[in-house]
Amino acid sequence: EDQVTQSPEALRLQEGESSSLNCSYTVSGLRGLFWYRQDPGKGPEFLFTLYSAGEEKEKERLKATLTKKESFLHITAPKPEDSATYLCAAYSLYNQGGKLIFGQGTELSVKP
Amino acid sequence: DAGVTQSPTHLIKTRGQHVTLRCSPISGHKSVSWYQQVLGQGPQFIFQYYEKEERGRGNFPDRFSARQFPNYSSELNVNALLLGDSALYLCASSGVSGNTIYFGEGSWLTVV
Repeated sequence: EDQVTQSPEALRLQEGESSSLNCSYTVSGLRGLFWYRQDPGKGPEFLFTLYSAGEEKEKERLKATLTKKESFLHITAPKPEDSATYLCAAYSLYNQGGKLIFGQGTELSVKP
Repeated sequence: DAGVTQSPTHLIKTRGQHVTLRCSPISGHKSVSWYQQVLGQGPQFIFQYYEKEERGRGNFPDRFSARQFPNYSSELNVNALLLGDSALYLCASSGVSGNTIYFGEGSWLTVV
């Protein structure tokens, strides 16, 4: 069964304290690994798409990496405005199209 | 440029009623997908449409239906509402390549 699991469920950091979020996946027909940021009451905001093991992408204080079984979202020197829920999703072929299979998210809180 | 737009943003319905949610994709995007997000969980795939044809349907009852119009906008319909249908309903659009999948802000449905 296709599955995406994120850890930890919640992470509390002090401003400037770097850390990583984990996303492990077991998905057949994988066509990409997506990362999103979601603020309370809002829709997910697109961050990155990764396609092959070894690929890395960066945006400001965020860097996403991909292996054959996991993806990591590294947050360097976070600021309070980075507080949000981070969602990982695997895009899988499904029927005649495709679908995103989401993890449950990691709720990040950054304190000043 | 306008992003993915959804309406209404919030609505309250009574058990047994019917609801229609609307979505306009990013200009030039021909694929629209619908997801349901229950509080504290990641979004779950409901439907995908491409060029007005259904390309995939998730594990949701037949009370859920959708369609895509010639201008690529889409509607999600839910009949005989249950309390458990209370959730954030998200619309996502993507171009042909599917490299990026963008979400709208969602429609918050409360069933009482």
